[in-house]
Amino acid sequence: AQKVTQAQTEISVVEKEDVTLDCVYETRDTTYYLFWYKQPPSGELVFLIRRNSFDEQNEISGRYSWNFQKSTSSFNFTITASQVVDSAVYFCALSEAGPRGGSNYKLTFGKGTLLTVNP
Amino acid sequence: DTEVTQTPKHLVMGMTNKKSLKCEQHMGHRAMYWYKQKAKKPPELMFVYSYEKLSINESVPSRFSPECPNSSLLNLHLHALQPEDSALYLCASSYAGHRRGAFFGQGTRLTVV
Repeated sequence: AQKVTQAQTEISVVEKEDVTLDCVYETRDTTYYLFWYKQPPSGELVFLIRRNSFDEQNEISGRYSWNFQKSTSSFNFTITASQVVDSAVYFCALSEAGPRGGSNYKLTFGKGTLLTVNP
Repeated sequence: DTEVTQTPKHLVMGMTNKKSLKCEQHMGHRAMYWYKQKAKKPPELMFVYSYEKLSINESVPSRFSPECPNSSLLNLHLHALQPEDSALYLCASSYAGHRRGAFFGQGTRLTVV
């Protein structure tokens, strides 16, 4: 069975600090997809990034970067020079490929990490 | 356009009321989802429609009734709800499954009184 663990329940930082959100996953599939979503107080889940299991390249998008390591089953998310607007709940999620590598409609979420960035 | 639009944003209903939540997307996605999210918890999958057919029902009580009139619209009909059904209801859509990621709406905050 698939599982996503976000061990950090809450993190509080001061603006301009760097912060890393941890995500560890479990799956028996060799083909799977990993995601990060941001949920601000307004409620909408904002899609941040998708990674498939065959692409271990790290990715950087502005102040955001992601470190995918299959050897440790981790997909960590770093925010550089954090800002107050980064305050939100961040969810890591996993979807296994369906039968014969096809689509799978189930997304397993971690419990989320509440990030508070103080001015 | 990566937008999923949900209406209404807020809803208060009595336990004997009938109401509907609506969701719309124009990204050409063929899979649409309803999730329920309680405070400080991750979203929980309720229903999945794939190519306008109900593909997954996660043993949701019959007081929740989904409907997919066409590939762009998804409704959730509510009847005889209980106070414990109060939650944020999120709609999402994706091309087919989660291979390319799913996009979520802002949700409807439902309060049952």
